[in-house]
Amino acid sequence: DSGVTQTPKHLITATGQRVTLRCSPRSGDLSVYWYQQSLDQGLQFLIQYYNGEERAKGNILERFSAQQFPDLHSELNLSSLELGDSALYFCASSQTGDHRNIQYFGAGTRLSVL
Amino acid sequence: DAKTTQPNSMESNEEEPVHLPCNHSTISGTDYIHWYRQLPSQGPEYVIHGLTSNVNNRMASLAIAEDRKSSTLILHRATLRDAAVYYCILIKNGANSKLTFGKGITLSVRP
Repeated sequence: DSGVTQTPKHLITATGQRVTLRCSPRSGDLSVYWYQQSLDQGLQFLIQYYNGEERAKGNILERFSAQQFPDLHSELNLSSLELGDSALYFCASSQTGDHRNIQYFGAGTRLSVL
Repeated sequence: DAKTTQPNSMESNEEEPVHLPCNHSTISGTDYIHWYRQLPSQGPEYVIHGLTSNVNNRMASLAIAEDRKSSTLILHRATLRDAAVYYCILIKNGANSKLTFGKGITLSVRP
């Protein structure tokens, strides 16, 4: 158990809908990362937050947004969903968010857009 | 950003050592070499990392070439549970620590 909790485990929804994925980092970790894993693109970094502030952005679509709350949990919002958004979404956390830190990954949320 | 190159797949026998190679010929002096692995149906997990010297931990050893253009992850006695995709990733000193995953090496372990 990595200590990172992601909910829900599975999500099935329809095109055009909006969903929210939730991540609770390990106790004491200030940084949260979101990654998307699809069959054709592999594992891709989406966005990183550190202590509530956005620190780095990757290949995140404009239809996607995220935030980190004062209690350090994070949410990834996906809107106007398309079939191609079906993927595994992983959250990871680390202590300070720089190169020295190990990232601990959650078990992921599997999103199916029908 | 410096890139890494890994073979697509490797096979090993249970309880034998496994050497997983990674080439990073354009590595810069400030790049750390990290290894993560992803077991089937799980999120990635950290294995080991290093800068210049060889490193050991309870999971594996990391051997870094003297010129740092390649590294090898060593699993001393492979178990069935070690069957996974292994990713070699470079992270620059001082940069944000986003992980850029390539395709990785798929390791199969034969009983």
